[in-house]
Amino acid sequence: GDSVTQMEGPVTLSEEAFLTINCTYTATGYPSLFWYVQYPGEGLQLLLKATKADDKGSNKGFEATYRKETTSFHLEKGSVQVSDSAVYFCALSGRAAGNKLTFGGGTRVLVKP
Amino acid sequence: DAGVIQSPRHEVTEMGQEVTLRCKPISGHDYLFWYRQTMMRGLELLIYFNNNVPIDDSGMPEDRFSAKMPNASFSTLKIQPSEPRDSAVYFCASTLSGLVFETQYFGPGTRLLVL
Repeated sequence: GDSVTQMEGPVTLSEEAFLTINCTYTATGYPSLFWYVQYPGEGLQLLLKATKADDKGSNKGFEATYRKETTSFHLEKGSVQVSDSAVYFCALSGRAAGNKLTFGGGTRVLVKP
Repeated sequence: DAGVIQSPRHEVTEMGQEVTLRCKPISGHDYLFWYRQTMMRGLELLIYFNNNVPIDDSGMPEDRFSAKMPNASFSTLKIQPSEPRDSAVYFCASTLSGLVFETQYFGPGTRLLVL
């Protein structure tokens, strides 16, 4: 079945540092890929998404590129802020499952001033 | 526009009691999802509905859990009887269609503690 693996946290960074969170997936066919973010005490919200190979999703300075050859969708941000402290979830929606999401385990990111 | 609304935001109950969690999806959304989040198991899909009909309830842990969607603007997740291992944050999410690239919109969650 479909699965998503992302790096375990917590990831602790200083403000303005570069952030990378690795995400790889297993799915049949061509899934859509997502990054959701969960701020403390809140529900998940979409950060960015990509629907086909080589697509780049971007939002709020974050980027991720859909790499079919490596089945990856790594999240990057060039200069993090304290306000980026959150839990980040990689997810996929496979064609066989319609819009049902399969989530990775989440990566907690803590940015210190 | 209002997002997904969940109530209550926090619930503390004693083992054996019935718990009912409520969700109002975004107006016009045809799909509704119930998730459970715990430290041990992460984010799990419990059940989802399309046009008020349950489509996949394979994630419902056991018969103590039940979910209903009597109309397009309301869903409930019921636990009876509740157990301490049910303590978790329960999220409701809705989405416009069944297309694979659709964004799911999450509510703020209900934090349940069963003593």
